[in-house]
Amino acid sequence: AQTVTQSQPEMSVQEAETVTLSCTYDTSESNYYLFWYKQPPSRQMILVIRQEAYKQQNATENRFSVNFQKAAKSFSLKISDSQLGDTAMYFCAFFPTSGAGSYQLTFGKGTKLSVIP
Amino acid sequence: EAQVTQNPRYLITVTGKKLTVTCSQNMNHEYMSWYRQDPGLGLRQIYYSMNVEVTDKGDVPEGYKVSRKEKRNFPLILESPSPNQTSLYFCASSLSFSAAPWRDEQFFGPGTRLTVL
Repeated sequence: AQTVTQSQPEMSVQEAETVTLSCTYDTSESNYYLFWYKQPPSRQMILVIRQEAYKQQNATENRFSVNFQKAAKSFSLKISDSQLGDTAMYFCAFFPTSGAGSYQLTFGKGTKLSVIP
Repeated sequence: EAQVTQNPRYLITVTGKKLTVTCSQNMNHEYMSWYRQDPGLGLRQIYYSMNVEVTDKGDVPEGYKVSRKEKRNFPLILESPSPNQTSLYFCASSLSFSAAPWRDEQFFGPGTRLTVL
């Protein structure tokens, strides 16, 4: 079974500063996607960013970017210019498209991020 | 409006009383799945479906059933609910994880808070 580990249960950052959330995963597959989801207090799940494993270039979406290290099986999320609306639980997720467990989405346990005014 | 709907949003029931949580999407998505979210455990996949009449077990399928008779609907059935199934449940759908634009493809429902007494 695939595993996704988020080693930081809670983090805080000052408004306008930059924060990095870490995520590591364990797999023997070479074809997969990685995602970061945001869950604000409303409980709605919102897709923030995704990375295709075959792409070497790190994905970016406005203030959100990732550092994808395939050999190290690491997928960290960097939030720049943090805003109060970024306060949420953040989940890293892994989705293989080949091999055992393919097309199953596996989540980490989450990192609770608080943005401090 | 493109969306995933779940009903009911909140449900309190008693042990052993069969229940169904409905999930419907209006985007002609092929992939649908169910997750449960528990404190400290993140989201865990219960079942998923790649298309009509095709369903597969996720990480925690025990005590649950699903069906996919129509493309738009993917109900979650608890034949004999038990207190350990008290949780927040999410349904999600996506067209394909390989097509673009990816941001428009992955939708989560608003969640169903289930309490089994």
